[in-house]
Amino acid sequence: EVHLVESGGGLVNPGGSLRLSCAASGFTFGTYSMNWARQAPGKGLEWVSSISSTGSSVYYADSVKGRFTVSRDNAKNSLYLQMNSLRADDTGVYYCARDPSAGIGNWFDPWGQGTLVTVSS
Amino acid sequence: EIVLTQSPDFQSVTPKEKVTITCRASQSIGSSIHWYQQKPDQSPKLLIKYASQSISGVPSRFTGSGSGTDFTLTINSLEGEDAATYYCQQSSRFPLTFGGGTKVEIK
Repeated sequence: EVHLVESGGGLVNPGGSLRLSCAASGFTFGTYSMNWARQAPGKGLEWVSSISSTGSSVYYADSVKGRFTVSRDNAKNSLYLQMNSLRADDTGVYYCARDPSAGIGNWFDPWGQGTLVTVSS
Repeated sequence: EIVLTQSPDFQSVTPKEKVTITCRASQSIGSSIHWYQQKPDQSPKLLIKYASQSISGVPSRFTGSGSGTDFTLTINSLEGEDAATYYCQQSSRFPLTFGGGTKVEIK
């Protein structure tokens, strides 16, 4: 069974940093593109970033470009999101999700359970 | 950026009723639209890919249609377990974008 488990969320001060991780199991991690999406409290879904299977191609939402960095370690079946210069509007649940297609930037399936990031002083 | 506008924002429906949710794209995106269901306190779940392609394990009462700029998710004969918020998402180009969501409540 395909399984994604996020970790690393928590409370951080504005301007601070946090590194999220996503542990994958049940599939050959290194052959799929991966994504990060987020959801502010009581709000809708927002795509954050995508990374190709090898890590050679990455894409970011304008709202996080220059502050967030996506990476992956295929040997460890893990996806990461380094978040710097955090702002209050970065608060929300962060999900990792697999792209089941052979490419990048398609649909998300499955999603992890999410990890909560709260940016507040 | 491609903007997706969903309607309605909220719908209260009786069991066995038919539900129709629309998603309009700000520009033509072919069939590059996907639908998700998110139940309270759960992560989203894929229902339909590429506008109308069914997903293994998803009940057959969920169907999708449309192309270009106008898309529809239909739930035939609503069941109590279908209470959720439904989102469309486009994959025509980056940045990937989601619709604002449609909350379906069971009367």
